[in-house]
Amino acid sequence: KAGVTQTPRYLIKTRGQQVTLSCSPISGHRSVSWYQQTPGQGLQFLFEYFSETQRNKGNFPGRFSGRQFSNSRSEMNVSTLELGDSALYLCASSFPVGDEQFFGPGTRLTVL
Amino acid sequence: TQLLEQSPQFLSIQEGENLTVYCNSSSVFSSLQWYRQEPGEGPVLLVTVVTGGEVKKLKRLTFQFGDARKDSSLHITAAQPGDTGLYLCAGAVYNAGNMLTFGGGTRLMVKP
Repeated sequence: KAGVTQTPRYLIKTRGQQVTLSCSPISGHRSVSWYQQTPGQGLQFLFEYFSETQRNKGNFPGRFSGRQFSNSRSEMNVSTLELGDSALYLCASSFPVGDEQFFGPGTRLTVL
Repeated sequence: TQLLEQSPQFLSIQEGENLTVYCNSSSVFSSLQWYRQEPGEGPVLLVTVVTGGEVKKLKRLTFQFGDARKDSSLHITAAQPGDTGLYLCAGAVYNAGNMLTFGGGTRLMVKP
């Protein structure tokens, strides 16, 4: 069974630009969660999508948004990038609620 | 807002030594999970503890969930260089889907 796939793996952007990250969950998994990992703040929950609906949202500004498609693939978008958005963005998928979450390798975003 | 305090942040020990990592909170969690993360990869689940007072063993790793479900510990016996990595605890709460609150992490280095 293929694992969680995230693309791209590395991304360099400049302040003010926007970026879209993609996550393909494990086949059959319907829940996708996104996390931001930084050295200072650690791993912080961004949002979770289940059956194309946002089910939970973390404490991040509205510049961070996401969506999920009918095939469970998910994208997250960050608009008007700031230097502080530089981080490893991880997505995790699971089948039912409360089941083990499987993390992808992450997308390393650098904002210059 | 749930917070998880993880200690110590860094640990450098010799092969064969024992160590304990702590995860504490003032909040009650429905379950607590321990992950290990290698550089360039996403976190990988080691164990989930659900019942207050529960103890789980995974080879040389022993995980304990506090009676009040507010704290947890990870004990490694006779650490090996292969145990080197970032250890993360993460708490889940009822009615919050798959949202996890992560501790700050413990970076463990085991020297041969």
